[in-house]
Amino acid sequence: QVQLQQSGPGLVKPSQTLSLTCAISGYSVSANSAGWYWIRQSPSRGLEWLGRTYYRSTWHYDYALSMKGRMTINPDTSKNQFSLHLNSVTPEDTAVYYCARGWGSGWYLGTWGQGTLVAVSS
Amino acid sequence: EIVLTQSPGTLSLSPGERATLSCRASQSVSSSYLAWFQQKPGQAPRLLIYGASSRATDIPDRFSGSGSGTDFTLTISRLEPEDFAVYYCQQYGSSPPYTFGQGTKLEIK
Repeated sequence: QVQLQQSGPGLVKPSQTLSLTCAISGYSVSANSAGWYWIRQSPSRGLEWLGRTYYRSTWHYDYALSMKGRMTINPDTSKNQFSLHLNSVTPEDTAVYYCARGWGSGWYLGTWGQGTLVAVSS
Repeated sequence: EIVLTQSPGTLSLSPGERATLSCRASQSVSSSYLAWFQQKPGQAPRLLIYGASSRATDIPDRFSGSGSGTDFTLTISRLEPEDFAVYYCQQYGSSPPYTFGQGTKLEIK
């Protein structure tokens, strides 16, 4: 059974970098048959797809246009996890952040982490 | 970017009744890569339906999905007390971004 366990701080100061980690059990982050996603949810924006990484002979990355230049996703094969780094955060980045696994035809999001509420505040 | 519009925003029904939720896309969703999620307070979204009509593992058969192209429907045949939650649709599988609808809140009447 695939499980995703998120970790990271719940409070980040404006202009700093938000970093979250998603530890994977029961599946390999470098498996060709899955992708690894970050999604966030806030009252103002609803559910927002942020980006993903996946391995197909090499690592691939897709980011939401709104996140490009500020966000990176880093896979870590030694720890079987992947992380989100979002720099220059503002209060608008306050949200619950989720990691998820895309799998199956088209890569639907069948497995989610528990969510991490991150507040951006001084 | 594909915009997904869900209706109604809120649906008030009683246990035992039938619920019909709609998700309309601004352009055709390729290969019917449309998913439905259920979310309860304080929990992550839970996958109910993928590929527009396939039930995810352990999802009761009172949940069904239908549709193609730009119009999709989630039907709950007979509402159980635990079904009252917020439901989201999401399109996936073609090119990102993989957008979500704004949600339909299913509340007890």
